[in-house]
Amino acid sequence: EIVLTQSPATLSLSPGERATLSCRASQSLSNNYLAWYQQNPGQAPRLLIHGASSRATGIPDRFSGSGSGTDFTLTISRLEPEDFAVYFCQQYLTSPRTFGQGTKVETK
Amino acid sequence: QVQLQESGPGLVKASETLSLTCTVTGYSISDGYYWAWIRHSPGKGLEWIGSIYYSGTTYYNPFLTSRVTMSADTSKNQFSLKLTSMTAADTAVYYCARDVVVTGLNWFDAWGQGSLVIVSS
Repeated sequence: EIVLTQSPATLSLSPGERATLSCRASQSLSNNYLAWYQQNPGQAPRLLIHGASSRATGIPDRFSGSGSGTDFTLTISRLEPEDFAVYFCQQYLTSPRTFGQGTKVETK
Repeated sequence: QVQLQESGPGLVKASETLSLTCTVTGYSISDGYYWAWIRHSPGKGLEWIGSIYYSGTTYYNPFLTSRVTMSADTSKNQFSLKLTSMTAADTAVYYCARDVVVTGLNWFDAWGQGSLVIVSS
């Protein structure tokens, strides 16, 4: 199965700052078959990005995804208070679909 | 707007079978999409368990396939999970989700709040 490694495990930033989260795959994800999710404590995960860079419906444009092959990035251009959460990446190139272990964005 | 809600026991004894149900509102499960179960445990992180189409077609995680059965009930707009031979390693938050199919099974665009299941010895 494809292993996804997210870094850093925790990112400490202030509101208004830029967040850059990394997701690295153990093999190349052709067609950029990668999604990103956000999860706030006690809430359901929310789809942010699919196809590595396509924002899901209703997702603000401060969230952007990029990358190809084995290296992908989620960028939050200016952190809002509600953006402090845990973020997961997920590949859907092969079965079983797998997730990264998550990056927690916390308030500095 | 589609909403999903898991229901089932919060505590299961080791070696027994877990049964969970997901009730979908705001969308008919027979109108398309696959429907999935995913779990999140401290030891293994997020793990896709399996997905089902309303007609009964299923896809399971190869690592769990011998223990998993999923079913769908269109009259109740629900789908269900059975996981046999539970062990402590199966302790997790279990989520149901809507599974988007574009080029095969792809991403999950709506999730339930999750149901914590603890396996006791």
